[in-house]
Amino acid sequence: NAGVMQNPRHLVRRRGQEARLRCSPMKGHSHVYWYRQLPEEGLKFMVYLQKENIIDESGMPKERFSAEFPKEGPSILRIQQVVRGDSAAYFCASSPSDGQGVTGELFFGEGSRLTVL
Amino acid sequence: AQTVTQSQPEMSVQEAETVTLSCTYDTSESNYYLFWYKQPPSRQMILVIRQEAYKQQNATENRFSVNFQKAAKSFSLKISDSQLGDTAMYFCAFKNRDDKIIFGKGTRLHILP
Repeated sequence: NAGVMQNPRHLVRRRGQEARLRCSPMKGHSHVYWYRQLPEEGLKFMVYLQKENIIDESGMPKERFSAEFPKEGPSILRIQQVVRGDSAAYFCASSPSDGQGVTGELFFGEGSRLTVL
Repeated sequence: AQTVTQSQPEMSVQEAETVTLSCTYDTSESNYYLFWYKQPPSRQMILVIRQEAYKQQNATENRFSVNFQKAAKSFSLKISDSQLGDTAMYFCAFKNRDDKIIFGKGTRLHILP
């Protein structure tokens, strides 16, 4: 059973370009979380999605950032018109359902490191 | 807003010693879940231990145990007989009733030979 797959592992963009990060959850998981990790800081919650639904996007900047988790295919975190401050590691995690929500046990990908020049 | 606070940015202990990592949180909810995650250097984050708030008994997983003090909103992690492989960043996490999961800033733990 493959784990959570994120790609690309490393992405370099110039200011003003778009960054698109992909996450395939573990098989059978329909809940995906995105977090941002800056050096020497913890994991900052960005967004929580179920298939075809954004459940909570309270941690995501209102402008330039968007996320989706379509019925088919991976979850995508999109950052438009990137700025240097967007440089960070972006982690995706998926969680199995317990019938009432998620168990809370997160299975993490290896992260995507975005560098904005 | 719910928050998770880890007051120890970095700690070092000798191999085989016992170490306790602190975590406090803030919430008005009565039922929630708490977790400790481990992020080894250059490796993926993994779950160490979880605790359900309605369970009074402290969770234990081999050398890892927690001290859950609900009234004090405290959730510390104790690592017994520490090993070199325990060197990692440790994150405390909180899951609310809406399944939002937030993390503290982490504690970098060094196990010294």
